[in-house]
Parts: sequence; C-alpha cells; structure tokens
Amino acid sequence: DTEVTQTPKHLVMGMTNKKSLKCEQHMGHRAMYWYKQKAKKPPELMFVYSYEKLSINESVPSRFSPECPNSSLLNLHLHALQPEDSALYLCASSDVGDYGYTFGSGTRLTVV
Amino acid sequence: RKEVEQDPGPFNVPEGATVAFNCTYSNSASQSFFWYRQDCRKEPKLLMSVYSSGNEDGRFTAQLNRASQYISLLIRDSKLSDSATYLCVVEGLSGGYNKLIFGAGTRLAVHP
Repeated sequence: DTEVTQTPKHLVMGMTNKKSLKCEQHMGHRAMYWYKQKAKKPPELMFVYSYEKLSINESVPSRFSPECPNSSLLNLHLHALQPEDSALYLCASSDVGDYGYTFGSGTRLTVV
Repeated sequence: RKEVEQDPGPFNVPEGATVAFNCTYSNSASQSFFWYRQDCRKEPKLLMSVYSSGNEDGRFTAQLNRASQYISLLIRDSKLSDSATYLCVVEGLSGGYNKLIFGAGTRLAVHP
C-alpha cells in the first residue's frame, strides 16, 4: 500500500460542481506536490508546498485551488472545471530538498 | 529540444531477455537523477536513484554519464512483471526553481 493516501480514487463532476481532492501522508515529509497526468503523458507539476507554504504554482488556472491545512494534509479544490481537465491527479511528498518522491495512487477525474 | 528525452518504445522482449533504456537530459547543472516505474493506470513508483558511479539493485543497473548527459537503465533476466512504463526523471532548474522533470517514458512489454 502506498504511504501517500489520496481520496477519492475516482471522481466524476459536472462543469458547475465544486469538489475537493484530498491527500494525506504520515511520513513526516514537509514537501508536498500536486501533479496532473494525461493519458500516455508524463506527470506535469501543478503546485509545490514546502513547510505548509505554497512555494511553486506552475501557472495553474484559478479553477484549481490548493490548500495545505497542516504538514500531513494537502487538498486541491476544484471549481468550474472544463472537460479537458479530465486526468489523473497525483499527490506526492518528500523531505524538503529530496527529489525521491513518494506518489499517492491518484484520483482519476472525469469532467462532464 | 526536450529537457529529458527517452525512446518511447514499446520494447517487446521475451522473458529472460536483457533490455536497456537510454535517456538524455539538457541541463548540465542537474544534480539528481532517477528512474521511476509506472504501471498502467497506477502512480509512478521510484525504482532507483542514479549515481555517477553506477548502481545496481538486483536485476536492475543504472548508469549516469555526466559528460554526455546520458542516463541508462539495464534490466537483466526480464520477468513478465517488469512490463510497465519506465520514466527517466531529472532534477533541474526550470522556470526559476528546481523541480523534477519527467521524460515521456519508455514502454516495456515482456512476453512469455
């Protein structure tokens, strides 16, 4: 079992819905990440949190809103998404400055 | 030129074969290098870090040539369970900060 837990595993949402993706880790990692992965493509970085502060935003549209309530939790709030936002959303964590990330199993999102 | 380039494959090999994957990267200042494995519809999992001295983990051997900016992964005695996509990943400076940069992946299919 992965040590980074993501919920839900699957999500179908309409373009007017608001939903949240959740990520939790208890490895004591102080860096957490959101990635988006389309089919047959590599993961693309969206956001990086370091010590619970947003340190990198890869010019992600504002319909994606990250939140880091504490050192173990990372959320991604979704609002007014488009069908092209359908993808696998991966959370990862690591020690700060360590590039060997542990990924969660992802949330497969479908926007209809 | 892509920051991390890999042969997309697929590599179709029989069980027991030896297979080698190659990867090149463009940023000579990169310091950390990895191979991740990703099964179909699953999350990427860290397979091994790559060091200049080369490193081996069972049937897997990774090599780094900094002068040529080239990384390799050798799999000996292939098993059916090795079938997956292998992602070459490089830590590099992009957009003003350090982050993991993923290659597009090389698909391996091992058949009986």
